[in-house]
Amino acid sequence: EDKVVQSPLSLVVHEGDTVTLNCSYEVTNFRSLLWYKQEKKAPTFLFMLTSSGIEKKSGRLSSILDKKELFSILNITATQTGDSAVYLCAGHNNAGNMLTFGGGTRLMVKP
Amino acid sequence: DSGVTQTPKHLITATGQRVTLRCSPRSGDLSVYWYQQSLDQGLQFLIQYYNGEERAKGNILERFSAQQFPDLHSELNLSSLELGDSALYFCASRGMEANVLTFGAGSRLTVL
Repeated sequence: EDKVVQSPLSLVVHEGDTVTLNCSYEVTNFRSLLWYKQEKKAPTFLFMLTSSGIEKKSGRLSSILDKKELFSILNITATQTGDSAVYLCAGHNNAGNMLTFGGGTRLMVKP
Repeated sequence: DSGVTQTPKHLITATGQRVTLRCSPRSGDLSVYWYQQSLDQGLQFLIQYYNGEERAKGNILERFSAQQFPDLHSELNLSSLELGDSALYFCASRGMEANVLTFGAGSRLTVL
């Protein structure tokens, strides 16, 4: 059975801090790793990573995948209160064509 | 607005009852996925349909069933409801762009 584990479970930081969120996975027929941000309701897509060592970047957010060690990290620099959310990572199983989600990291950014 | 529409947004019902949740995928998307998100758990995959056919099944209870209709909308039927079925139920659709799922706003089910 596919498994995705995220750490830490929760994190409280102050505005301007940099945070690193971790995601490890065991996914058969692995195809890609996705990151989502969930505020109040629907998860919204952030990144999809398919190749090791290639950083994806969007503003203050960046992410990288290590397919040898089976993990990914999501970095957020110069955090803002609007970054407060649950961050979810998911592994894509190409054979079953579905995403297995981790339990999420709840990030709270204090002013 | 993600383009994935779910109804109803909220639903309160009693144990033993049956409910139907509805999802319309983004225009042009053929795949529909259903996920359950409980308070103490992450997003749990239930079932996937592609162009009307069931493609993958997760940890979906026998009391739950789903289908995708010719117009591509999907319905998730939950029967003999128990307190533990209270959760957010998300529908997501996938287009041609690789593996990215776009989620609807969810249907919050409360079983009393």
